[in-house]
Amino acid sequence: QQQVKQSPQSLIVQKGGISIINCAYENTAFDYFPWYQQFPGKGPALLIAIRPDVSEKKEGRFTISFNKSAKQFSLHIMDSQPGDSATYFCAASKRSGGYQKVTFGTGTKLQVIP
Amino acid sequence: NAGVTQTPKFQVLKTGQSMTLQCAQDMNHNSMYWYRQDPGMGLRLIYYSASEGTTDKGEVPNGYNVSRLNKREFSLRLESAAPSQTSVYFCASSVMGNTEAFFGQGTRLTVV
Repeated sequence: QQQVKQSPQSLIVQKGGISIINCAYENTAFDYFPWYQQFPGKGPALLIAIRPDVSEKKEGRFTISFNKSAKQFSLHIMDSQPGDSATYFCAASKRSGGYQKVTFGTGTKLQVIP
Repeated sequence: NAGVTQTPKFQVLKTGQSMTLQCAQDMNHNSMYWYRQDPGMGLRLIYYSASEGTTDKGEVPNGYNVSRLNKREFSLRLESAAPSQTSVYFCASSVMGNTEAFFGQGTRLTVV
């Protein structure tokens, strides 16, 4: 059972455009929603994250929009640059004992073309 | 600033062979994890260790064993490799109960 659904699988955006990646979750116990960025040959790295008590979080060109009632959240990359070309994973996590259990989406491969 | 170090980076095994993937972190983190990454499947948790001395199964533990050797090191063992275990394996660590995980660079394993 896939608890975090991510779309699209791949995305091509012109330089300067807006990249939008969407995720939906099922379990209302999730209390933390991070986005990870992964470059080829590297491990994922935390990009930006949000908690469900806020509807939006912005860090530079990256914004998370969160809709708690719809159980959806999205990543917006403004003024997309070729250096943003990477695979992006959304995730949702919940506390389980002393451990934060993280469920990842299936990933979106973003290509920003000049 | 090594962070999370995985060895080896690449490995080819024959079906039935065994091997151990090594992971070490120098950030004094309590919790460590092993994930596998497959195309179209995202990252799936194999095993985790919430703190030194404890290990628990994740989403896809079959065919794997782990050892939390000490606070720094967490190894993943394949006792009898199968082609279905061809994947990229990532080790990660975090402060116990914290939300941000730090990943190693991965081990690309091919089982033929």
